[in-house]
Amino acid sequence: NAGVTQTPKFRVLKTGQSMTLLCAQDMNHEYMYWYRQDPGMGLRLIHYSVGEGTTAKGEVPDGYNVSRLKKQNFLLGLESAAPSQTSVYFCASTWTSDTGELFFGEGSRLTVL
Amino acid sequence: GQNIDQPTEMTATEGAIVQINCTYQTSGFNGLFWYQQHAGEAPTFLSYNVLDGLEEKGRFSSFLSRSKGYSYLLLKELQMKDSASYLCAVMDSNYQLIWGAGTKLIIKP
Repeated sequence: NAGVTQTPKFRVLKTGQSMTLLCAQDMNHEYMYWYRQDPGMGLRLIHYSVGEGTTAKGEVPDGYNVSRLKKQNFLLGLESAAPSQTSVYFCASTWTSDTGELFFGEGSRLTVL
Repeated sequence: GQNIDQPTEMTATEGAIVQINCTYQTSGFNGLFWYQQHAGEAPTFLSYNVLDGLEEKGRFSSFLSRSKGYSYLLLKELQMKDSASYLCAVMDSNYQLIWGAGTKLIIKP
C-alpha cells in the first residue's frame, strides 16, 4: 500500500539550478496537488491537476511548472531555483474536488543555497 | 481576504483534555477539516465538519459553528503520541482548501 510517494525526499540546490520533484499515487485519484509548507505559514497551493493532461495555477505558482502526463504521476519543476524556494514540498491527491480529505506524500525538503 | 487563525502552540498534560480553536473568514464555506501532522511527517486527515455541531471520533471530537466562523478540536485522554501539529483548513466557494498555520501541541508527562 504505497499511497502517495514523493521523490526525492531531500535535495540541496544552488541558485539557478533546475530540478524536478516526482509524485506518484496508486489510488486512481483524479485530483493531485503540490503544496509548499514554510514555518509559521499554512500550506500554500502551488499548482494542481483535476485529471490526466490538465494543470492549473494555485496561490503561489511563480517559479514552478507542472505536468500530469499520466494519471498517477504529477511532476513539479523548478527551472531556475532561488533561495526563496527553500521549503518542504508536499504532494497530495484525492478523488473529487469537493472532498477535503487529501492523502499526502511524505514531503520533499528542498534547500536552495 | 481569506484567513484562518489558530494558536501557534499549546501545552497539555498526559491524560488531560485539550481544546484547539480555529476561527476563519473565507469566501464561501464548503466544510472545515482538521489534520494531524507529526514533526517531519505528512499531514493526515482527522475530521470533517460541514454542518453545525459536534462530530465525535474516538478520543477526538470536532465542533463547528458556521454563524460564528469557529471550530474547535477536542482531544481527550491525551497520550504522548498526540504531540503533533494540528492543522485547520476550510474549503471555500471554489472548493479550494485554505489552511491555517497549525497549532503545535506539546504533551508533558
